[in-house]
Formats: sequence, structure tokens, C-alpha cells
Amino acid sequence: AQTVTQSQPEMSVQEAETVTLSCTYDTSESDYYLFWYKQPPSRQMILVIRQEAYKQQNATENRFSVNFQKAAKSFSLKISDSQLGDAAMYFCASNAGNNRKLIWGLGTSLGVNP
Amino acid sequence: GAGVSQSPRYKVAKRGQDVALRCDPISGHVSLFWYQQALGQGPEFLTYFQNEAQLDKSGLPSDRFFAERPEGSVSTLKIQRTQQEDSAVYLCASSNRDRDYNEQFFGPGTRLTVL
Repeated sequence: AQTVTQSQPEMSVQEAETVTLSCTYDTSESDYYLFWYKQPPSRQMILVIRQEAYKQQNATENRFSVNFQKAAKSFSLKISDSQLGDAAMYFCASNAGNNRKLIWGLGTSLGVNP
Repeated sequence: GAGVSQSPRYKVAKRGQDVALRCDPISGHVSLFWYQQALGQGPEFLTYFQNEAQLDKSGLPSDRFFAERPEGSVSTLKIQRTQQEDSAVYLCASSNRDRDYNEQFFGPGTRLTVL
């Protein structure tokens, strides 16, 4: 069975600083994807970044990047130059198998201090 | 439409009532997913459709939960004889199997409160 673990319930960062959110996962599948989603208080889940397991290169989207360690089954999210609008719940998720349902972690609540 | 829409946004039901939650996916999206998100938790998978076919309903917590997508577009999640433990946000997501199909686009969710 797939599992996703986020061990940091809450994190905080100063505006303009860098923060890293941790995620580990477990799967027996060889073909899978990993995702970070952001959920602001409005509840709309927004995709931040994704990583295909077969790609060795870490994904990057502007200020967001991941550190994908396949052997360690680790998938951390780095947010650079943090902005007030980055404050939200961040969920790590993975999917595999034919129907691509997402398996989610419990989330990390990120606060950004001005 | 521009995105996934869900209605109602908020629903309050008395214990024992039946409720129906609606999801309008992005036009043309083949895949549709329902998730349940309890307060302070991550979402949990309920069921998955590919067009009108319900290919996976392994996450439905009991036979009181029923989902349908009769024409392969709009989907309805129905909960019969609601109970307090059904209180949660119900999220709908859709994805396009032919393009970038691993990205799921989410609606704003329906917050169900069962009294």
C-alpha cells in the first residue's frame, strides 16, 4: 500500500527567507508521481510542483523546487524568497497505478512572518 | 467553465437526512475524483470515474455513500442517512487523460456539517 508521511505539522519562515518542508513516501510501484499541493484558507487545492519518479532531475517552478531522493523515498519542498502569500497548508501526495488516485500526507501548516 | 465547480459550498444536514453534492468538472476532462477531507487532515480518496464508468469505489466508507456520473460530465456524490462522522469537506477533482493527465484540478469543495 502507498503511504505518504509529513512529519512537520507546523512550520514558520521569515518573509524573504527560505524554508524546506519534508515528505517521505512508500510505494511498491515503479511508475509513480509525487506532488506538492497548496491549500489556502479558501480551501482550493492548488498544484505547486510535481515530480515524475523516472526523472532524476529535481523539478523547479520559479521559487519552488524539490529535493527528490528516490532511494530514500524522500521528497522535500524548498520555498525560496518566501512571500506572505505562501502562507497555507501544504500537502505532499503521490499517485500510482492505473487510476492515479492521490494518496496524501497530513499536511504542514506554513506561516510567513513579515 | 474555467475550473472545477462544486455546489453547494456549504451544507448543514440533520443526522439521518440524505444529501447530494454536485461536481462540474473542467469541460472535456475524462477523469473525475472525489475525496473526503476531515478537519485538520489530508484528503482521502473516495471514488474515481473515467467518463461515466466508476472504475474505483474502494474509498467509499460505507454503503450509505453513492456516486454517479451518468453522462460522463457532471458527478453527484450522495450520502444517505447522514451521520456526524460524515462531517467533512468533500473535494472533487478532474484531470485530462490525454494531456498532462497526472495533474488533478480541484474544486473549492463542499463543507458538510451534520448536526
